[in-house]
Amino acid sequence: GDSVTQMEGPVTLSEEAFLTINCTYTATGYPSLFWYVQYPGEGLQLLLKATKADDKGSNKGFEATYRKETTSFHLEKGSVQVSDSAVYFCALSERETSGSRLTFGEGTQLTVNP
Amino acid sequence: DAGVIQSPRHEVTEMGQEVTLRCKPISGHNSLFWYRQTMMRGLELLIYFNNNVPIDDSGMPEDRFSAKMPNASFSTLKIQPSEPRDSAVYFCASSLVLAGGYEQYFGPGTRLTVT
Repeated sequence: GDSVTQMEGPVTLSEEAFLTINCTYTATGYPSLFWYVQYPGEGLQLLLKATKADDKGSNKGFEATYRKETTSFHLEKGSVQVSDSAVYFCALSERETSGSRLTFGEGTQLTVNP
Repeated sequence: DAGVIQSPRHEVTEMGQEVTLRCKPISGHNSLFWYRQTMMRGLELLIYFNNNVPIDDSGMPEDRFSAKMPNASFSTLKIQPSEPRDSAVYFCASSLVLAGGYEQYFGPGTRLTVT
């Protein structure tokens, strides 16, 4: 079945540091890929998405590129801010095998210190 | 758009009581999902609906849990009787199923505490 593996957290960085959160996936077909962010006390929010190989999703300075050859969708940001402290979830949706449901990774807690 | 609306935001109840959580999806969306989030288990999909029809309820923990979607703009998740181990944050999410992507939009959640 489908699965998503994220790098284990927690991740702690200083402000303005470079961020990478690794995400790899297993799927039988051609999934769409997503990054969600959850701020403390809130629901998950869609951060960015990519629907086909080599697509790059971007939002709020975050980027991720759909790499079919390495089955990866790593999240990056060049300069993090304290306000980026949150839990980040990688997810996939594979229409052919799972309809409209999403398969989520375990989540990675990010803390950014001033 | 108002986004996904959940009520109540917080619920504290005693063991054995019935609990009903409510969700209003984004207008025009045709899929609805109920999740549970705890520190121990993370984010779990409980059940989801397409066009008001339950498609997969394999994540519902036991018969004490039930979910309904009587129309496209309303869904409930009921726990009867509630137990302390049901304490968690329950999220509702909705989606518009189209070719090319199935992003879900989450509500703010209901924090349930069963004492």
